[in-house]
This record gives sequence, structure tokens and C-alpha cells, in this order.
Amino acid sequence: EIVMTQSPATLSVSPGERATLSCRASQSVSSKLAWYQQKPGQAPRFLIYGASTRATGIPARFSGSGSGTEFTLTISSLQSEDFTVYYCQQYNNWPWTFGQGTKVEFK
Amino acid sequence: EVQLVESGGGLVQPGGSLRLSCAASGFSLRSYWMSWVRQAPGKGLEWVANIKEDGSEKYYVESVKGRFTISRDNAKNSLYLQMNSLRAEDTAVYYCVRPTFDIWGQGTMVTVSS
Repeated sequence: EIVMTQSPATLSVSPGERATLSCRASQSVSSKLAWYQQKPGQAPRFLIYGASTRATGIPARFSGSGSGTEFTLTISSLQSEDFTVYYCQQYNNWPWTFGQGTKVEFK
Repeated sequence: EVQLVESGGGLVQPGGSLRLSCAASGFSLRSYWMSWVRQAPGKGLEWVANIKEDGSEKYYVESVKGRFTISRDNAKNSLYLQMNSLRAEDTAVYYCVRPTFDIWGQGTMVTVSS
């Protein structure tokens, strides 16, 4: 099983600032990496697939990069609605696996 | 509107069984792989099972192999998860997901407790 490790566990940022979230795979997942945002009591919201392609309707302030084992989700200028939890997920090998999540909180 | 609606969750005793259903609308289920994903209270996400468009291939996470069965009825546009020999660690919200990744149901809660 591929283990996905996200860092940091919690990121303290001020509105308007840039947030950089990391995700590392225990072995190469090529570019088969997705990112999700999840708010309390809601299903995850799909943000990014193929490591860097934004899903339909996702604002341009969200961007993804990386390949192989190292990936990054960048939120260029944090809006109030962006303060929540983010997960990465690999879909290169079964079982598909998620990272443990990064919580983005108000600084 | 493209939508997935789960049902069938509830409280069950350890060792018991439960069958979850997922009704798809706004698209034809037969054209897509489908999945179940779960999330224990206050925890992260776990991808549980996948099933191919025609049901000919199924994949399970190790922790549910031999206990859970994913199935589908394309004529009814529905997906199912039969859960047997339930354990406390199966307690979670179960989501039906179209693994184009963009379509998730609202989830149904399964609680395994005596």
C-alpha cells in the first residue's frame, strides 16, 4: 500500500496570504494525484486531478504541482472560505490512499 | 442535476450486517466505475471499494476483504455495499463516489456498537 504523508498537519495563515501544502508518496504515483477540500459535515470537494489540473469551477487561486513522490497544493491568496481541511489522494495503485490531511487555520 | 444519494446506514451490533444503497441521477451509472469511501468520526478518508462499469472487476481495501461486497444494478442506476461481520472500527460515514472524483454523495452514517 502506498502511504501518503501530508505536511504540515496544521498550517496557520492570515487571510490574503499564500498557503503551501505538501504531500509525499511512499513510492512513485506518477501524476495520479488528486486534492480535495473538506468542510465540517460536508463531503469532500474535488479540487485538482492529474497533480496540476483544476477541476471544473475551482478558482484559479488553487494550483497543484509535482510528480512522482512530491506534490504541492498552493492557495495563492487565502479567502475566509478556504480555512478548512485539505487531503491529497493517489490513484495510481490500488488501494487508492489518502493523506491524513492538513488543516489550514487562521493565524 | 448529477447526484448520488446514499441510504441504509444506521446502528448495528458487532457481527451484524447492513446493506448500503446509492441511487444515481442525472447520469447513467453503466458508463462509470463506481466507489465507496468512508470516514470514521473525526478521522481521515479511506477508499473502501471500486467496481467496474459492468461489475466484472471489484477491488477492496484489505481491512474489508471477505466481509464487504460491492455490487451494482445498472438497470436501476444503483450501487450497493453489503457489509457483513461488522466491527466497531467500521463505524464511519460512507460516501458513494463516482471516481471521476467530482461526484460524491452526502454520506450515510454507519455505527457499529452494542
